Amino acid sequence: EPEVTQTPSHQVTQMGQEVILRCVPISNHLYFYWYRQILGQKVEFLVSFYNNEISEKSEIFDDQFSVERPDGSNFTLKIRSTKLEDSAMYFCASSALQETQYFGPGTRLLVL
Amino acid sequence: GESVGLHLPTLSVQEGDNSIINCAYSNSASDYFIWYKQESGKGPQFIIDIRSNMDKRQGQRVTVLLNKTVKHLSLQIAATQPGDSAVYFCAAGYRSNDYKLSFGAGTTVTVRA
Repeated sequence: EPEVTQTPSHQVTQMGQEVILRCVPISNHLYFYWYRQILGQKVEFLVSFYNNEISEKSEIFDDQFSVERPDGSNFTLKIRSTKLEDSAMYFCASSALQETQYFGPGTRLLVL
Repeated sequence: GESVGLHLPTLSVQEGDNSIINCAYSNSASDYFIWYKQESGKGPQFIIDIRSNMDKRQGQRVTVLLNKTVKHLSLQIAATQPGDSAVYFCAAGYRSNDYKLSFGAGTTVTVRA
């Protein structure tokens, strides 16, 4: 069964450093999403991406965040200058028809 | 915006019994609802979804009920098994915002042997 994959599974970085989180969505999907989950809290929407552009973003997704689909398979989330409060699980999701979103296993980001 | 909340943060159920997890949403524009299961250290796993033009949908051992009048949905798990122990999230979305999902806080289900 096809699934969303994410790398790395864990990332530790120093405050102020740039990180890139990578995702490979399910191959025939067209809609891509990033969510995050701070420890013990709800899963929160960050951004949706369709047709090579951002279609929706939350107030969390400020100028420090960017997304890219550099080739036909990868979907990346970049945080330019990480802050302590960026520590969270980051989930990538994809969907074929804009409804059922399938989530990856997540990247646990720890900012020190 | 959408606010989604779960009624109980924890649920303990005897193996073999049925489980019911309840969820409320606030935005009457929400037209798509989905339940996810999350095991420790893993991402949310799709269980079942329902559109607002339906009030019930059944899957394998699971049933989702939607009551749009009171903005409430529930997930019923039949014959709960130890492998059902996890955190369960409901989420809501609507077409005009690309179905970005608003998640509830999660109910931790523990199955007693």
